[in-house]
Amino acid sequence: GQQLNQSPQSMFIQEGEDVSMNCTSSSIFNTWLWYKQDPGEGPVLLIALYKAGELTSNGRLTAQFGITRKDSFLNISASIPSDVGIYFCAGQPSSNDYKLSFGAGTTVTVRA
Amino acid sequence: DADVTQTPRNRITKTGKRIMLECSQTKGHDRMYWYRQDPGLGLRLIYYSFDVKDINKGEISDGYSVSRQAQAKFSLSLESAIPNQTALYFCATGSTTDTQYFGPGTRLTVL
Repeated sequence: GQQLNQSPQSMFIQEGEDVSMNCTSSSIFNTWLWYKQDPGEGPVLLIALYKAGELTSNGRLTAQFGITRKDSFLNISASIPSDVGIYFCAGQPSSNDYKLSFGAGTTVTVRA
Repeated sequence: DADVTQTPRNRITKTGKRIMLECSQTKGHDRMYWYRQDPGLGLRLIYYSFDVKDINKGEISDGYSVSRQAQAKFSLSLESAIPNQTALYFCATGSTTDTQYFGPGTRLTVL
């Protein structure tokens, strides 16, 4: 599958700050997913988005499915040390294609 | 207990050796996947299976083979390991809403 363009590649953030990352694609996706990977572990699903324009929250996390269906963003509010990790976006291109395309990841490091 | 388990968690082997990585799941999902993760490249699909009789190549299947022994088990083999197959390998299962759930990963080093 195609690779998604995820940015930024990495970020250092101050505890308490709000942060944002995004993914873009040249193709339309029917589903956008956001995962977090902690060191030594597999990715864990944070938020799933199924409809263009959808805005979904999970605690301090908020994600949106872009209106064009070619992009998505993830916001983390009031960062805490346990937010450290790698965040991946993933997209499913169509309802008949169950393969996901992944972004390269955003590495988040929190300064205490 | 974890829903998706992988064995071994770490493996060091030599060039030319045959290696099998195993994955089992208790989620009852039909779909299972094998991914490879390399730094800066995200996750790339190696093989996927939608049921026991269905096996499909992903984007980087060369040098790998798989076996779906049962609905809950999906193994990945490297017939003759080479150093550029050093990576993190993840198994995942798929739900009907197409979200995927990942195992803890296997770190493979080929010397």
